[in-house]
Amino acid sequence: AQSVAQPEDQVNVAEGNPLTVKCTYSVSGNPYLFWYVQYPNRGLQFLLKYITGDNLVKGSYGFEAEFNKSQTSFHLKKPSALVSDSALYFCAVRDPRNTPLVFGKGTRLSVIA
Amino acid sequence: DTGVSQDPRHKITKRGQNVTFRCDPISEHNRLYWYRQTLGQGPEFLTYFQNEAQLEKSRLLSDRFSAERPKGSFSTLEIQRTEQGDSAMYLCASGYRGGNDGYTFGSGTRLTVV
Repeated sequence: AQSVAQPEDQVNVAEGNPLTVKCTYSVSGNPYLFWYVQYPNRGLQFLLKYITGDNLVKGSYGFEAEFNKSQTSFHLKKPSALVSDSALYFCAVRDPRNTPLVFGKGTRLSVIA
Repeated sequence: DTGVSQDPRHKITKRGQNVTFRCDPISEHNRLYWYRQTLGQGPEFLTYFQNEAQLEKSRLLSDRFSAERPKGSFSTLEIQRTEQGDSAMYLCASGYRGGNDGYTFGSGTRLTVV
């Protein structure tokens, strides 16, 4: 069965600094990896995905993520954080059989002005 | 297309009562998913449909929970004899079978059992 680990409950970063939100996964076969963001009292919004191809994928709002097969990681990154990036971030994985997405427990990002 | 709609947004119910939630997915999507999210946790899979067929149910879905998607369009999630532990955000999402685009989520129904 697939699983996702987000080792940090909270990440604090100063506005303008780079940010990284960590994610590692476990899945049988090639992983389909996703990042979602959740603002208070809202559903999840899609940020980016890795299916195949380049290990560095770019997504919405200037976010990107790097797929590392040997480390089974898919860390979310942004070169320069904004206060408006403060939210809850979820990493998710599914296997090639198109089984339902499995989510991590989430990481709360706080960007301080 | 207005995205995935969920109704109601909030529901407060007394323990032991039955509640029903509705989800209207994106019309072109043939898959519909239900997840539950509690405070400090990520979404946990409950069940999903492909068209009108319910293909998988999580062990989290006790006998008190039932979901339907009668015409392959909207779906309902019913909880019978609610318990305080059922208090959570119930999220609905839709997507394409075989699609690689992930899911589109609704804003959720927040259930509080008192």
